[in-house]
Amino acid sequence: LAKTTQPISMDSYEGQEVNITCSHNNIATNDYITWYQQFPSQGPRFIIQGYKTKVTNEVASLFIPADRKSSTLSLPRVSLSDTAVYYCLCWKDSSYKLIFGSGTRLLVRP
Amino acid sequence: NAGVTQTPKFQVLKTGQSMTLQCAQDMNHEYMSWYRQDPGMGLRLIHYSVGAGITDQGEVPNGYNVSRSTTEDFPLRLLSAAPSQTSVYFCASRGNRDRGHMKTEAFFGQGTRLTVV
Repeated sequence: LAKTTQPISMDSYEGQEVNITCSHNNIATNDYITWYQQFPSQGPRFIIQGYKTKVTNEVASLFIPADRKSSTLSLPRVSLSDTAVYYCLCWKDSSYKLIFGSGTRLLVRP
Repeated sequence: NAGVTQTPKFQVLKTGQSMTLQCAQDMNHEYMSWYRQDPGMGLRLIHYSVGAGITDQGEVPNGYNVSRSTTEDFPLRLLSAAPSQTSVYFCASRGNRDRGHMKTEAFFGQGTRLTVV
């Protein structure tokens, strides 16, 4: 499984766009990139998954460059309720395991 | 639809005691996993199962046993509790893409906060 590297923490203010970049230099050809969100005292929640280019859903966008060695989770116009830990995972379809790293702790201030 | 249900929510054990953390899912998912999360840290995989009767070790399996006799249930047993096992334990389940979810879309329970004194 490809190792992922994310910033330990980020600060933002309400209404701003937040971009969290994840590095995965050793990503394999058949790996997907998946992001989870974890609020305090709750289990993680799936946000978005992509393979290449751009994916968007009602919560976030995921940008993946052509070399796929990194990915960026974009949260538009964050609110206080977006304060959470965000995890980036690389996962292949044949794997039974989901391995979480340390994540990025996002703090949104008023 | 309850999703993933963990019991108990809180537990205090004395060193050396044993106990079982319960996890049940009602989504007919094949894959189930147990994680532990220490304060300020990420999740670490303890054990996982790909179906009834099939289990395997994760990153930190020592001190824990699991069994999967049914699709719905995946209990985690602490054999002899130690203070180092003080943590929050999360159970998760995942299904197949055929059932409308991506294979990486895991559903987590609310967690069991365990303290070993």
